[in-house]
Amino acid sequence: GDSVTQMEGPVTLSEEAFLTINCTYTATGYPSLFWYVQYPGEGLQLLLKATKADDKGSNKGFEATYRKETTSFHLEKGSVQVSDSAVYFCALSDNTNAGKSTFGDGTTLTVKP
Amino acid sequence: AAGVIQSPRHLIKEKRETATLKCYPIPRHDTVYWYQQGPGQDPQFLISFYEKMQSDKGSIPDRFSAQQFSDYHSELNMSSLELGDSALYFCASSLGAGSYNEQFFGPGTRLTVL
Repeated sequence: GDSVTQMEGPVTLSEEAFLTINCTYTATGYPSLFWYVQYPGEGLQLLLKATKADDKGSNKGFEATYRKETTSFHLEKGSVQVSDSAVYFCALSDNTNAGKSTFGDGTTLTVKP
Repeated sequence: AAGVIQSPRHLIKEKRETATLKCYPIPRHDTVYWYQQGPGQDPQFLISFYEKMQSDKGSIPDRFSAQQFSDYHSELNMSSLELGDSALYFCASSLGAGSYNEQFFGPGTRLTVL
């Protein structure tokens, strides 16, 4: 079945540091890939997405590139801010399963001033 | 822009009671997904509906049932509640079912079973 593996957290960085959160996936079809962010006590917000190989999703300084050859979708940001502190989920949605999403375990990011 | 609405936002129940969670999708969205997120866990898919028919089923206990109504809103009915049912329940909606159709998540209903 489908699965998503994220780098284990938590991740603690200083403000303006470079962020990478690794994500790899296993899917039977041709999935779309997503990064969601969840702030404390809140719901899931879509951060960015990519629907086919070599697509790059980007939003609010975050980027991720759909790499089919390595089945990866790593999240990067060049300079993090304290306000980026949240839990980040990598997810996939596979065309063979009516569009449901499969999530990674989530990575908690804490950015210190 | 209108978003996915879930009600109630918070719900406290006793063991063995029943609960009904409601989800109102974004207008014109015909697909609804339900997810359960336990404390410190990732969201787990429960069930989905497309055009009022069940389209997929995940790890939903037999004690739970759900349906999508003619106005596309959906309800998740939970009976014989157990302590382990305490979680954040998300509803998401999309226009069409499939991986290319972006899912928009609601704020969630936090269920606490005492």
